[in-house]
This record gives sequence, structure tokens and C-alpha cells, in this order.
Amino acid sequence: DQQVKQNSPSLSVQEGRISILNCDYTNSMFDYFLWYKKYPAEGPTFLISISSIKDKNEDGRFTVFLNKSAKHLSLHIVPSQPGDSAVYFCAATSGSRLTFGEGTQLTVNP
Amino acid sequence: KAGVTQTPRYLIKTRGQQVTLSCSPISGHRSVSWYQQTPGQGLQFLFEYFSETQRNKGNFPGRFSGRQFSNSRSEMNVSTLELGDSALYLCASSSSPGLITDTQYFGPGTRLTVL
Repeated sequence: DQQVKQNSPSLSVQEGRISILNCDYTNSMFDYFLWYKKYPAEGPTFLISISSIKDKNEDGRFTVFLNKSAKHLSLHIVPSQPGDSAVYFCAATSGSRLTFGEGTQLTVNP
Repeated sequence: KAGVTQTPRYLIKTRGQQVTLSCSPISGHRSVSWYQQTPGQGLQFLFEYFSETQRNKGNFPGRFSGRQFSNSRSEMNVSTLELGDSALYLCASSSSPGLITDTQYFGPGTRLTVL
């Protein structure tokens, strides 16, 4: 039972353009959502988060949008840079454990 | 402040053997969580320890176990290894596990290969 799903295993964008990574969840009890970035041979690094009482949170080039009615969140990176190439995981929690999606490999081409 | 450290970084075992992985959290963090990452499966939660007590457990067989010591360091053990246990095992530490906004910080992982 995959409660958090990232349906796109990979995404390729040009440098300077916008990257949009998507995530869907099924558990309506989730009330806090996070995005992590993972480079090869390293552990995931926390990127940005959003509480269920908000619909948008912005931090520099990264913005997370939450649509509770659709149980959907997305991460926007603009402008995308080659150094953003990594696997991005979305995660959700209701106060205890984190539930992760399968990850999306983002490749930003120079 | 030093990050989360995991040892060993790489491990090769054969089926039927057992393995112990170690995790040292960030100084001052008392919560340690373990995850298994396999291709296409994302990160699957194994268990969480706080103040030497298992606080939460994922859906893994009893061959997977863990413990936490008084200095917050944690170990996980997998007995009777199977080929499907080959994965990256990640440890994460946090300071306030009961807080909804508590952020987990991950170590680099231990890559386990079972032959």
C-alpha cells in the first residue's frame, strides 16, 4: 500500500527552465510534507517542507505547493541549475514516522 | 556540528549470515530512525528509537531488529540474510520526534550486498 507516490521516475529539463516534481498521497491523516534531495553515495538532504494548513511555501529557488483536496503536492525549482540534478523524494507524516515516495530522478542539462 | 555517521559504508555478506549496522546521530539528537532503500521502492521505514526505546516499527519481518544505547547511538541487525535484503540502509536522527515539524537528518547509508 503505497501511501505516497511519485509517478514520474525521471524528469529532464534545460538549465534555466522550471522543474516541476509531483507527488500524490492517499492518507488524509498526513499533515506535514517534506521534500528531500539525494545525490549518489550520500544520504537524503532536507530541502523544504509545508504544513497542511498552508498551500504554498517558498525558499529561494524552491517552492512547494500543496493541494489538499486533490491530495497532491509539487516542488517547483526555478531557475533549474545543473547542480540540482539529483533524486528528489517527497515525504509525508502525521506526527510519527515519515512515509516516502519512490523518488524522481531530476536531470538538468546545461 | 558533525553529521550523522554510519559504519560500515559498504558490506558484502552471503545468504544466511547476519549483519550489524551502526549509526551515530548528530550530537544532542536522541531519536534515530532506520530506512531501507531499494530501487523503485523509495525509502521504507524500518523502526525508530528514542531514549533507548523503540517508538515505531515498520512492516518488516522479525529478522530485522534494532536497539539504541544510552549515548543515542543505534545499531540494526539483520539475521538470516536473504538476497532481497540487498539495499542501502539509511539512518536518520532528529531532536524532537514528537514534534510535527521535526526534521530528520540522514547519514550517508550503508550499502549491503547479499550474495
